[in-house]
Amino acid sequence: EAGVAQSPRYKIIEKRQSVAFWCNPISGHATLYWYQQILGQGPKLLIQFQNNGVVDDSQLPKDRFSAERLKGVDSTLKIQPAKLEDSAVYLCASSPIGGGEKLFFGSGTQLSVL
Amino acid sequence: GNSVTQMEGPVTLSEEAFLTINCTYTATGYPSLFWYVQYPGEGLQLLLKATKADDKGSNKGFEATYRKETTSFHLEKGSVQVSDSAVYFCALIWTGNQFYFGTGTSLTVIP
Repeated sequence: EAGVAQSPRYKIIEKRQSVAFWCNPISGHATLYWYQQILGQGPKLLIQFQNNGVVDDSQLPKDRFSAERLKGVDSTLKIQPAKLEDSAVYLCASSPIGGGEKLFFGSGTQLSVL
Repeated sequence: GNSVTQMEGPVTLSEEAFLTINCTYTATGYPSLFWYVQYPGEGLQLLLKATKADDKGSNKGFEATYRKETTSFHLEKGSVQVSDSAVYFCALIWTGNQFYFGTGTSLTVIP
């Protein structure tokens, strides 16, 4: 079974630039999550999708971050414009309906904002 | 609110030593508790879980017991190996399928 796919693996940008991350969850998984993991901290949920609808985006900085999952499969997270404090690993995870207690994580995208 | 506090690292142990990584939680009601592990260069993966008080989760020689009276879920292993070197995250899930993660504890096992 293929795992959660994320790209790119690394990204370096300057502040005020834009960046986008892509995630393809495990086939059939209805729930998709984006987490932000700052160095030395645990993952923090940014947004949770159930199919193509948003379940929770209460911790998403909506002035600069956006995410979509148009067809209920893959998802894109965008930052525009980026700030220095956005430097982190962005993790995508998925889980099947009724399997919300087990998350399957991708390897993450490491973002450095200079 | 819900939160997880875990022991700060980094932890360095010799092979075959005993490992304990402490984790305590704050939650309303009875959450499910987890330990996730992140090996170098890989994504987080579930190590073990417990869904109710006094449950013991176990996997790959690791164990953790859900202690409601002390709101703890400490991770233990009797004899660590070099291949156990990783970052370990304690986590809980309550309503809405939202996970709360601890800050992670880095473990290095030396031969």
